[in-house]
Amino acid sequence: SQQGEEDPQALSIQEGENATMNCSYKTSINNLQWYRQNSGRGLVHLILIRSNEREKHSGRLRVTLDTSKKSSSLLITASRAADTASYFCATDEWGGFKTIFGAGTRLFVKA
Amino acid sequence: KAGVTQTPRYLIKTRGQQVTLSCSPISGHRSVSWYQQTPGQGLQFLFEYFSETQRNKGNFPGRFSGRQFSNSRSEMNVSTLELGDSALYLCASAEASGNTIYFGEGSWLTVV
Repeated sequence: SQQGEEDPQALSIQEGENATMNCSYKTSINNLQWYRQNSGRGLVHLILIRSNEREKHSGRLRVTLDTSKKSSSLLITASRAADTASYFCATDEWGGFKTIFGAGTRLFVKA
Repeated sequence: KAGVTQTPRYLIKTRGQQVTLSCSPISGHRSVSWYQQTPGQGLQFLFEYFSETQRNKGNFPGRFSGRQFSNSRSEMNVSTLELGDSALYLCASAEASGNTIYFGEGSWLTVV
C-alpha cells in the first residue's frame, strides 16, 4: 500500500481561492515532499519539509507537518488557472532508500 | 545543469517483447530511482540505485530489472511484456537518499 495518501482525491475551485490538500502516512519518516505533475509530464518538486520542522513556506505555498498525527497539508493561496495539476506527497522512510508517493490530488482551478 | 533525461520518450511494443529504458541523472547525482505510473495504481516504486548498487526494490515481478553504470546513468528492462505494463515510466535522481529527487519527463510505454 502507498505510504502517503492524499485527500481529497479531486478538488475544483475558482481562481483566487485557496486550495488545501492533505496527506497522511504510516511510518516514521525522514522528510516529506510535495510534487506537482501536469498531465502526462514528469513531477516537479515543490517543497521539502524535514521531520523536525512544523511549517514551511515557499511563495504561495505553505506546508505543515504533524508527525504525531502522521499528516501534512499543502496550502496554495490565491490559486491561478496555471495551478491546475495533480499534487503528490512523498515520504522517505528512515534508512529505506526509497521515496513513496501517494495517489495524488487532482486540482482544477477555474478561470 | 541539465535535468534528468529519459529516452525514449514514447515507444510501442508488442506483448512478449522486451524493452530497455534509459535515464541520465543530473550531473553529480548518484542516486537513481525508477517509478511506474498508471491511472489505476498511481506512482509505484520500482527500484533505487546508488553507486551501481540496488539498495531497494518495490513489489514488481522479476521481469522488471535495472542497473546503474559507473557514470550513474541507469537503465531499466522489462522482459516478456504484458498489456498491463503499459504505463509512464519515470526516472528520478538525487544527490543522496533523503534529499530532493528530481524527475525526468518519463518514457511512455504502450504494449499492444
